Amino acid sequence: DGGITQSPKYLFRKEGQNVTLSCEQNLNHDAMYWYRQDPGQGLRLIYYSQIVNDFQKGDIAEGYSVSREKKESFPLTVTSAQKNPTAFYLCASTPGTTAFFGQGTRLTVV
Amino acid sequence: AQTVTQSQPEMSVQEAETVTLSCTYDTSENNYYLFWYKQPPSRQMILVIRQEAYKQQNATENRFSVNFQKAAKSFSLKISDSQLGDTAMYFCAFMKQSGGSNYKLTFGKGTLLTVNP
Repeated sequence: DGGITQSPKYLFRKEGQNVTLSCEQNLNHDAMYWYRQDPGQGLRLIYYSQIVNDFQKGDIAEGYSVSREKKESFPLTVTSAQKNPTAFYLCASTPGTTAFFGQGTRLTVV
Repeated sequence: AQTVTQSQPEMSVQEAETVTLSCTYDTSENNYYLFWYKQPPSRQMILVIRQEAYKQQNATENRFSVNFQKAAKSFSLKISDSQLGDTAMYFCAFMKQSGGSNYKLTFGKGTLLTVNP
């Protein structure tokens, strides 16, 4: 099936640890995005990438890092510098004008 | 920078009635796209409707239609014949188009719609 796959669905992290969220798409889309969702905050853009080996910071990039080594993959690393990482994370991709989303990863710091 | 504002945090409607969700945006761009996405309790984001800024005709998808006022930078969503399955969070979103490439999809904070039986 074609689509966007985020894994894992639930993730627990100890304070001070880095953790990487996976996002893979087989839709041949050029652009990919990472959003963070908190209650009452909507979706806030963390990073986005237009093409392979290129990405731009979004509105809340501090404490996060990304890579885009392959067109299909756009992993997000939540570093220990992110002070409040507990949230729902959504990955999206677009062929040009409409964004399609993965099912999300719920990250909890324990 | 683009901003998207949804002024109604919560709304409710009776089943079979009509409801309108508001959205305004701020941009200096002339070419862009506007969207309404639905997020049910499953948290899966679902595209409801899309509007290209260069098109004057309002987009329609079955029971969902928009009122796009480009000069006023307003983009409201009308849901007709509301159904229980329409209960969800609704997000308005903006994507600018520049140089043939599209990027930076910006969302509003959302409106929680509850359809009552």
